[in-house]
Amino acid sequence: KAGVTQTPRYLIKTRGQQVTLSCSPISGHRSVSWYQQTPGQGLQFLFEYFSETQRNKGNFPGRFSGRQFSNSRSEMNVSTLELGDSALYLCASSLGTAPRGDEQFFGPGTRLTVL
Amino acid sequence: GDSVTQMEGPVTLSEEAFLTINCTYTATGYPSLFWYVQYPGEGLQLLLKATKADDKGSNKGFEATYRKETTSFHLEKGSVQVSDSAVYFCALSGSSGGSYIPTFGRGTSLIVHP
Repeated sequence: KAGVTQTPRYLIKTRGQQVTLSCSPISGHRSVSWYQQTPGQGLQFLFEYFSETQRNKGNFPGRFSGRQFSNSRSEMNVSTLELGDSALYLCASSLGTAPRGDEQFFGPGTRLTVL
Repeated sequence: GDSVTQMEGPVTLSEEAFLTINCTYTATGYPSLFWYVQYPGEGLQLLLKATKADDKGSNKGFEATYRKETTSFHLEKGSVQVSDSAVYFCALSGSSGGSYIPTFGRGTSLIVHP
């Protein structure tokens, strides 16, 4: 079956702009999680959506937001971009029903560069 | 809060050498433990997992045992190949309010020379 897809794969923006990233999960998966990966901080959890509701949230400012649609596709939005937002943004999907954590399937990521 | 500590890399080995990547964790309760691998230009892939103490996860010659007494989940492989060169992430999922919060280590780069 098709894997997790993310669009676009690469993005260049300038400070102060906003950006929207998209993620299509594996068919049947209801949970979508977003991560920020940087050389300095490693992989950090942004938030998780399950059945169109944000179920968990990491420690990021309110400029980072997301949503999930009824078909489980998810978007992440970053407003008022800062240089430090330059990173690889990874999306991961899972069934979302295991009480102690499902296996997550990751997309290839969106490389965001803020100039 | 929960945390995962793994050895810093890069780890550089010759082909057919023995591999160990150390991982220790701090968590409340009984988290599930995972090893993910990231090849250049790709997203993370699950390598193996263990959901309770003394469980051994294994896949593609890699193994890791969930040791609750030492809060560790070290990754091992008896004979590495050049194709194993990648970044390896140790992770845990701890429960929070009825659902899980994933926590990842910083990643360990493995370089295998022919």
